[in-house]
Amino acid sequence: KAGVTQTPRYLIKTRGQQVTLSCSPISGHRSVSWYQQTPGQGLQFLFEYFSETQRNKGNFPGRFSGRQFSNSRSEMNVSTLELGDSALYLCASRPVGIHKDRRNTEAFFGQGTRLTVV
Amino acid sequence: DQQVKQNSPSLSVQEGRISILNCDYTNSMFDYFLWYKKYPAEGPTFLISISSIKDKNEDGRFTVFLNKSAKHLSLHIVPSQPGDSAVYFCAAHLYILTGGGNKLTFGTGTQLKVEL
Repeated sequence: KAGVTQTPRYLIKTRGQQVTLSCSPISGHRSVSWYQQTPGQGLQFLFEYFSETQRNKGNFPGRFSGRQFSNSRSEMNVSTLELGDSALYLCASRPVGIHKDRRNTEAFFGQGTRLTVV
Repeated sequence: DQQVKQNSPSLSVQEGRISILNCDYTNSMFDYFLWYKKYPAEGPTFLISISSIKDKNEDGRFTVFLNKSAKHLSLHIVPSQPGDSAVYFCAAHLYILTGGGNKLTFGTGTQLKVEL
């Protein structure tokens, strides 16, 4: 069974540009969450999608957005990039989305996309 | 507002000895706590979890202890092995009633180094 796949693995962008990152969850998983990892800040929650709907959102500016497709694949977009957006962006999937279910507590992570803004 | 804290950025332990990683939290609504292990250039991988209604969970060399009154949990690794050298993240799970969904809040991580 394939794991969570994130593309691209590495990306270099210039300030002011926009970027789109992609995530394919584990087959059968319907919930996708996005996290930002920066040195000293741990993993900061960006948002969660289930059934093509954003369920939860972290404390990030509106420049960060996402969406989920009917096949559960998800994309994350960052517009007007700033130097501080340089980070490792991680995607995680879960089996189900909205049920209070033991299986939902564990999230399976992809390898991440390393974004560098110059 | 850092709801999950790992106050030790690094820990060094000798091979064969016990590694103890600590985590504190502030939100009493968290219902599960999880530990993840992360190697460089890889995503975090799940290690072990514990329900908020339990005080101990064991899986092989890994044991997690939960002290709800102190809002504190710890991960014990016995015996420690060089392959355990990685960053360990503590995470707390919350089920969001409004709209459904789940949220994991992570600590800042502890770099464990197991020396020969």
